[in-house]
Amino acid sequence: EVQLVESGGGLVQPGRSLRLSCRASGFPFGDYALTWVRQAPGKGLEWVGFTRRITVGGTIEYAASVKGRFLISRDDSESIVYLQMNSLKIEDTAVYYCTRGDCRGGECSAPDFFDFWGQGTLVTVSS
Amino acid sequence: QSALTQPASVSGSPGQSITISCTGTSSDVGGYNYVSWYQQHPGKAPKLMIYDVANRPSGVSNRFSGSKSGNTASLTISGLQAEDEADYYCSSYTSSITYVFGTGTKVTVV
Repeated sequence: EVQLVESGGGLVQPGRSLRLSCRASGFPFGDYALTWVRQAPGKGLEWVGFTRRITVGGTIEYAASVKGRFLISRDDSESIVYLQMNSLKIEDTAVYYCTRGDCRGGECSAPDFFDFWGQGTLVTVSS
Repeated sequence: QSALTQPASVSGSPGQSITISCTGTSSDVGGYNYVSWYQQHPGKAPKLMIYDVANRPSGVSNRFSGSKSGNTASLTISGLQAEDEADYYCSSYTSSITYVFGTGTKVTVV
């Protein structure tokens, strides 16, 4: 059974940092892209960024709203993907979801869709 | 990257069919067949319902179907049931090697 379990959320002051973790199980971690998606309270979904699967380089792409402040990394030996969030702003307050990305055919250098989601972890940025 | 445009709400009676639209641009929806749809019940994580415009993952009811014409994708729910009441989001890959979600549609079964 595919499982994604996020942790590390909490209350943090503006300008500070926080690191989220997502531990995966039930599938060959290195064969998949891992993506972070967030949802502000009462709002829609927003894509944050993803790390490619190792077989296509494991490189990372970010949304413009977080580029330069957030860093995604993966530890394939532990099946964990991280989201390091720096210089946090009030507008970063959201539930952060870890998702698995997949494709149907082709090299799959970027996922076509997000097929499994964690339960999410809430990050509240407030003074 | 602006969010894809969806109607804020759609409603229907049990047994009816409804369609949710998702409008983007030639740089996202119109340029790629990588449109997916997600269902989200209150307080829950989103669930993949349709991928690559019109494909259903294993376990998703065949009452859900997807299509695309130009820059607009659509999700149709036929034989509407009470359990279909939820928020629905479309998503597309973009030419910037990013992803964009739709504004979300609340489906109400009246």
